Amino acid sequence: RKEVEQDPGPFNVPEGATVAFNCTYSNSASQSFFWYRQDCRKEPKLLMSVYSSGNEDGRFTAQLNRASQYISLLIRDSKLSDSATYLCVVNMGNNNDMRFGAGTRLTVKP
Amino acid sequence: GAGVSQSPSNKVTEKGKDVELRCDPISGHTALYWYRQRLGQGLEFLIYFQGNSAPDKSGLPSDRFSAERTGESVSTLTIQRTQQEDSAVYLCASSLSVRHTDTQYFGPGTRLTVL
Repeated sequence: RKEVEQDPGPFNVPEGATVAFNCTYSNSASQSFFWYRQDCRKEPKLLMSVYSSGNEDGRFTAQLNRASQYISLLIRDSKLSDSATYLCVVNMGNNNDMRFGAGTRLTVKP
Repeated sequence: GAGVSQSPSNKVTEKGKDVELRCDPISGHTALYWYRQRLGQGLEFLIYFQGNSAPDKSGLPSDRFSAERTGESVSTLTIQRTQQEDSAVYLCASSLSVRHTDTQYFGPGTRLTVL
């Protein structure tokens, strides 16, 4: 099993749609979870951290399910500018050693 | 403030040549990572440095790949006898400390093309 797995997509959605991505991880000792965004031919940038209680930042909501070892990202009211690849990141236990998923590509269309 | 910088931004080389890629992390960041990203693919972990601890080299794909870091400063990734499959963007990231909650900040990458 891969350390971090994501549905590669692509997800093609109309503007205003709600879209959700899931990510599963294999290391039950993982304690930190993040979503990064990567635009085409650019470096990844942090979108949001994922807290155990779940967290929301505007149109973006992240959830963590430790029992099933997955995290999710929900995007409401999609904008054209949300088009990007979304990377799930998980640490390998109680340290700063992170692993990235292969990413889920999202295209928001007019 | 200054972010993570990488050089060169682009490198074209011939098969069989050695290349050296450089990463300057954000000042004060103790953790430094190297990743490889092939066209249209996700990030592939290569190596991780944390302070003065022994690096985690578990992601290096072959013994042609090596990396060094002096203290908490510059890191170099060396690829010997390059092959065409080494063509990719090599990304470096740094983070503040040993805490696993710290954000990684990425450099712009070095685009390597092996002819």
